[in-house]
Amino acid sequence: SQQGEEDPQALSIQEGENATMNCSYKTSINNLQWYRQNSGRGLVHLILIRSNEREKHSGRLRVTLDTSKKSSSLLITASRAADTASYFCATVSINTGNQFYFGTGTSLTVIP
Amino acid sequence: ETGVTQSPTHLIKTRGQQVTLRCSSQSGHNTVSWYQQALGQGPQFIFQYYREEENGRGNFPPRFSGLQFPNYSSELNVNALELDDSALYLCASSLSASSYNEQFFGPGTRLTVL
Repeated sequence: SQQGEEDPQALSIQEGENATMNCSYKTSINNLQWYRQNSGRGLVHLILIRSNEREKHSGRLRVTLDTSKKSSSLLITASRAADTASYFCATVSINTGNQFYFGTGTSLTVIP
Repeated sequence: ETGVTQSPTHLIKTRGQQVTLRCSSQSGHNTVSWYQQALGQGPQFIFQYYREEENGRGNFPPRFSGLQFPNYSSELNVNALELDDSALYLCASSLSASSYNEQFFGPGTRLTVL
């Protein structure tokens, strides 16, 4: 079974607005990564946050991690139509080392 | 473009047949992971190869097997295909087996089992 679960499943916003996606997971982790996937193609790595970090920024992306609540959020600021994609969180459990567990994803639509 | 290539792009097989999918990793990467992604779902970890050895396996039956070659390219073999094996198969390469390394994904192979 997949460890991460994203919320919401689908999100539709206007260009320029911010988009927030959440991820919950079940076990203790080494790190959590966010990936983006365009229309059934390969995934693209966006950002990695370590278990001892609480917040990380990369361009228009802001990721938070709350290990006590076993949750993470991805914020995309000033969204663009090109941000339309599915977004997945992937966790690496401290028990399984190198195995990535992906959630079910959030489908983001940015309306021009 | 990540530099990771997969072949073929699409494949149609019938139940019971066998299939081999191929992946060329990014230059300098010695680790390849394979994932199965059913429609509308997230990728599920099948297994990882590090320097030609299996280095972790997800919850998939033994009819899913793999190989990694000295040039670090990789194959995924699936025997006795079932209808539920229809999915997008993704490979991802990374600099090493450490989970702190970014994974670079290929575009995937779309497998349809009839």
